[in-house]
Amino acid sequence: QKEVEQDPGPLSVPEGAIVSLNCTYSNSAFQYFMWYRQYSRKGPELLMYTYSSGNKEDGRFTAQVDKSSKYISLFIRDSQPSDSATYLCAIHQGSQGNLIFGKGTKLSVKP
Amino acid sequence: DAGITQSPRHKVTETGTPVTLRCHQTENHRYMYWYRQDPGHGLRLIHYSYGVKDTDKGEVSDGYSVSRSKTEDFLLTLESATSSQTSVYFCAIGNTGELFFGEGSRLTVL
Repeated sequence: QKEVEQDPGPLSVPEGAIVSLNCTYSNSAFQYFMWYRQYSRKGPELLMYTYSSGNKEDGRFTAQVDKSSKYISLFIRDSQPSDSATYLCAIHQGSQGNLIFGKGTKLSVKP
Repeated sequence: DAGITQSPRHKVTETGTPVTLRCHQTENHRYMYWYRQDPGHGLRLIHYSYGVKDTDKGEVSDGYSVSRSKTEDFLLTLESATSSQTSVYFCAIGNTGELFFGEGSRLTVL
C-alpha cells in the first residue's frame, strides 16, 4: 500500500458547486497535512496547512483531517473557473522525513 | 512569490549526454529540494540539501547527482541522460511541509 493515495480524477463540476477532494494515508505517525494547488505548467503552491486532526477554514476552502480513519479532505465552496487546477495532498511526519505527495486530482470548474 | 529561479526552463537533449539543471534562490533558505513530476507518479523527491555541501538522497535518486557549493544554488546533474529521465523537474525551498516551488524545468531526452 502506498503511503498516500489520491484519486487522480479528472473531476469536472459546474461553477458554484461544492467540491470535495480526498486522500488516504497509511502511517499514523504523520502529523502535518497540506494541500497544494498546481495550475497548468506552473509549480505547486501551498494552499492549506493543518496540524493533527480537525478543520481549518480559509475563505472558500476548508481542510479537514480525520486521523482516526487516516483521511484528509479539501472542500471548495462556491467553486469558480479559476479553481480549475490540479490539487495535491501532501503529508509530513514532523521533525524527520520528507514531504510525501499524493498523485494529484485534476479539477475543472465549468462556467 | 518566493525568489526561486530554475534554468533552463526547457531542454531537449539526446540519450547519453550530460545535463545540469540549476536552481537559484534569493531567500537564503537552508533546505532545497529537487523533485520530478510524471503522469501517474505525481511528485517524487530526487535529492535534497540541508546546507552547503550537505545533501541526501530521495526516493528516486538513481542516475542523478547534486551539488550545493553556495546557499543560493542547488544543481541537479544527469551524468548520462536516458529517455526515462524525460520529465518536469521542480526545485523547492522550505521545510516541514511548507515548500515553495520554482516554475519547473521541462526536460526531454530523445
